[in-house]
Amino acid sequence: DQQVKQNSPSLSVQEGRISILNCDYTNSMFDYFLWYKKYPAEGPTFLISISSIKDKNEDGRFTVFLNKSAKHLSLHIVPSQPGDSAVYFCAAFISNFGNEKLTFGTGTRLTIIP
Amino acid sequence: ETGVTQSPTHLIKTRGQQVTLRCSSQSGHNTVSWYQQALGQGPQFIFQYYREEENGRGNFPPRFSGLQFPNYSSELNVNALELDDSALYLCASSLSGQLAKNIQYFGAGTRLSVL
Repeated sequence: DQQVKQNSPSLSVQEGRISILNCDYTNSMFDYFLWYKKYPAEGPTFLISISSIKDKNEDGRFTVFLNKSAKHLSLHIVPSQPGDSAVYFCAAFISNFGNEKLTFGTGTRLTIIP
Repeated sequence: ETGVTQSPTHLIKTRGQQVTLRCSSQSGHNTVSWYQQALGQGPQFIFQYYREEENGRGNFPPRFSGLQFPNYSSELNVNALELDDSALYLCASSLSGQLAKNIQYFGAGTRLSVL
């Protein structure tokens, strides 16, 4: 049962353009969402997060949008840079569940074309 | 640099053997989580330790066990290895109680191959 889904395994974007990565979830109890970036031979690195009480969170070139009614979130990267080429994971958790179990999607490989 | 280190980086074992993977958390973090990442998949939660006690477990059998020590180090033990245990094992440390900054910091992982 895949509670967090990233339906695009890969995405290619021209340098300087906007990259949009999508994520859907099925568990309505999730109330905190995170995006992680992963380079080969490294662990996932935290990028940006959003609480379910918000619909947008921005940090520099990265913005995460949350649509609770659609159970959908997206990560926007503007402008895209070659160093953004990596695998991006969407993750979610339930804040009052007693632990901090993260449920991850399967990832989207982003390739920025120079 | 997350301050989380894992050892070894690679390991080859045969079916039926036992393995211990190690993790050194970021200083001051009281929570460590372990994840298994199979090829082409996202990390799957194995279990979490908070102040040296297990605090949540994913859908993994009891032959997966762990320990957390007061010096911020932890271990993942897997008994009776099976071929499907071949994966990247990630540990992540965090500081529980800070909801707004509830971020898990990951190590680079241990790549386990079971032959």
